[in-house]
Amino acid sequence: DAKTTQPTSMDCAEGRAANLPCNHSTISGNEYVYWYRQIHSQGPQYIIHGLKNNETNEMASLIITEDRKSSTLILPHATLRDTAVYYCIVSYNQGGKLIFGQGTELSVKP
Amino acid sequence: GAVVSQHPSRVICKSGTSVKIECRSLDFQATTMFWYRQFPKQSLMLMATSNEGSKATYEQGVEKDKFLINHASLTLSTLTVTSAHPEDSSFYICSASSLLAGGATDTQYFGPGTRLTVL
Repeated sequence: DAKTTQPTSMDCAEGRAANLPCNHSTISGNEYVYWYRQIHSQGPQYIIHGLKNNETNEMASLIITEDRKSSTLILPHATLRDTAVYYCIVSYNQGGKLIFGQGTELSVKP
Repeated sequence: GAVVSQHPSRVICKSGTSVKIECRSLDFQATTMFWYRQFPKQSLMLMATSNEGSKATYEQGVEKDKFLINHASLTLSTLTVTSAHPEDSSFYICSASSLLAGGATDTQYFGPGTRLTVL
């Protein structure tokens, strides 16, 4: 079973920041938090991952709480092309398997 | 990011035939490849993990004699669905990762998927 809990769906206005929450209260000390997204009928796309520090790349920012029990993925300026299912996954980075939950269906609206 | 390709992108076959799906890492050496399947309106389900040069490890409930996985090189893994039946119709997706210095595994990158329809 997935070790994360995410809202089933969210809406966001185009141009605004999209903040996607994820709870992972049973995360262990050496598990990473990964975020992927899947646009309809395509393979998942890697977005970002982190262990305990906040991370930022060209796609998004990842904010991990100090106790590591939850995190938030931030898309700073959402576009219509960001409409997708977003998956938050915790996994070891030593040959770790990715167990996908149901994810959050993000709809970016004009 | 790293690029993973799959071939074919879609295939239609008759019940009872076998279908082979290829997964290639185009710009990195993939020490580990993973195979998933996804039914409509459902999430991805991990089927098996394969390390180059060794036998695949299958998840519980996945028939290893039906879903044959070969990872013969650091850039190619194949999934063969043997004696396919309509219930095997699904979206099959592979991912690949490589080993980093110190033994850690790098990020998994996914292929675009293969849509299998068994008539």
